Amino acid sequence: DAGVTQSPTHLIKTRGQHVTLRCSPISGHKSVSWYQQVLGQGPQFIFQYYEKEERGRGNFPDRFSARQFPNYSSELNVNALLLGDSALYLCASSFDVGGYTDTQYFGPGTRLTVL
Amino acid sequence: DQQVKQNSPSLSVQEGRISILNCDYTNSMFDYFLWYKKYPAEGPTFLISISSIKDKNEDGRFTVFLNKSAKHLSLHIVPSQPGDSAVYFCAASPTGNQFYFGTGTSLTVIP
Repeated sequence: DAGVTQSPTHLIKTRGQHVTLRCSPISGHKSVSWYQQVLGQGPQFIFQYYEKEERGRGNFPDRFSARQFPNYSSELNVNALLLGDSALYLCASSFDVGGYTDTQYFGPGTRLTVL
Repeated sequence: DQQVKQNSPSLSVQEGRISILNCDYTNSMFDYFLWYKKYPAEGPTFLISISSIKDKNEDGRFTVFLNKSAKHLSLHIVPSQPGDSAVYFCAASPTGNQFYFGTGTSLTVIP
């Protein structure tokens, strides 16, 4: 069975540009969460989507947005990139039933470098 | 405001001995806890979980202990193996919500 997949693996952008990161959850999982991990820190929560609706949002500026598609895949968009957006972006999926917390399984991440 | 803390950035243990990784949290609403293992250039790999209704969960060489009154959890690895060398993150969540991660502990198991 395929795990969580993310694309691209690596990405280099310049300040001010826009980026779209993609994630496909484990088959049968309906919830997708996005995290940002900078060097030396743990993952920081950005968004959670469940059944195509936003269920949670972390403390990130409006330059960050996301959506979930009918097939439960998801995109994370970041506008007006800053140097500080350079990080590993992780996607996690979980089955989630009726609001109880479920284990999140992570993809390999997308390494974004902003120059 | 760091709601989940791993105060030991690194830990070295001899192969075959016990590794104990610690994690403290501040939010009494957290009711589900996970441990992840992470190798460089990979996403975190789920290891073991525990809900707040339990104080211990065991899976092979891995055991997680939860002390709710102290807001403390620990991961025990027995016996430690060189392949266990990685960064370990604890994560906590209130019901149906996001996970908060600690800053990680880098475990080195010395052959």
